[in-house]
Amino acid sequence: AQSVTQLDSHVSVSEGTPVLLRCNYSSSYSPSLFWYVQHPNKGLQLLLKYTSAATLVKGINGFEAEFKKSETSFHLTKPSAHMSDAAEYFCVVVYTGGFKTIFGAGTRLFVKA
Amino acid sequence: GAGVSQTPSNKVTEKGKYVELRCDPISGHTALYWYRQSLGQGPEFLIYFQGTGAADDSGLPNDRFFAVRPEGSVSTLKIQRTERGDSAVYLCASSLNDGTSTDTQYFGPGTRLTVL
Repeated sequence: AQSVTQLDSHVSVSEGTPVLLRCNYSSSYSPSLFWYVQHPNKGLQLLLKYTSAATLVKGINGFEAEFKKSETSFHLTKPSAHMSDAAEYFCVVVYTGGFKTIFGAGTRLFVKA
Repeated sequence: GAGVSQTPSNKVTEKGKYVELRCDPISGHTALYWYRQSLGQGPEFLIYFQGTGAADDSGLPNDRFFAVRPEGSVSTLKIQRTERGDSAVYLCASSLNDGTSTDTQYFGPGTRLTVL
């Protein structure tokens, strides 16, 4: 079955330290991969997407994600966390040939001053 | 330009009642999606429209849920005989649909449905 797993429900970091949010997907078909962010009381916003042009994808606000086919992973990183990064992050998969969009359960990022 | 809009922003209803939730996509976007997001969970796919037709309705939980998009723009999600378990935020998204699965979806703010 097609699925996406976010390995941490909560991640807490200090401001200025690196962020790592982990995501794995099932490997039935070649997927399209996205990361979305949801700030409190705001709509979902696209951070970045994997289009197969490059395995390292750069997004907005300094976020990056690396597609690793051998590990079926698409982890999200940022070198230095900012207070404004505190939000819920969703890893999203769309499998080639379809449009059914599968969201992970989400990872809530807390940033401590 | 205007983003995806959803009305109402909040809807409170009683168990057994019928509700309609409306989505106005970004102008020119041919693809439209509905999702349901329960508290503490990620959005759950319900249905996908390409133009006027429902290309994939595999996520609709049962026959109480129905969605239409008669003119290929505005969509309405209809829920009959609402149950308390239907309480959630219902999200709508639209995309340009360039024919690839890497199409970016733009989300509306959602409708919070509460069934008492």
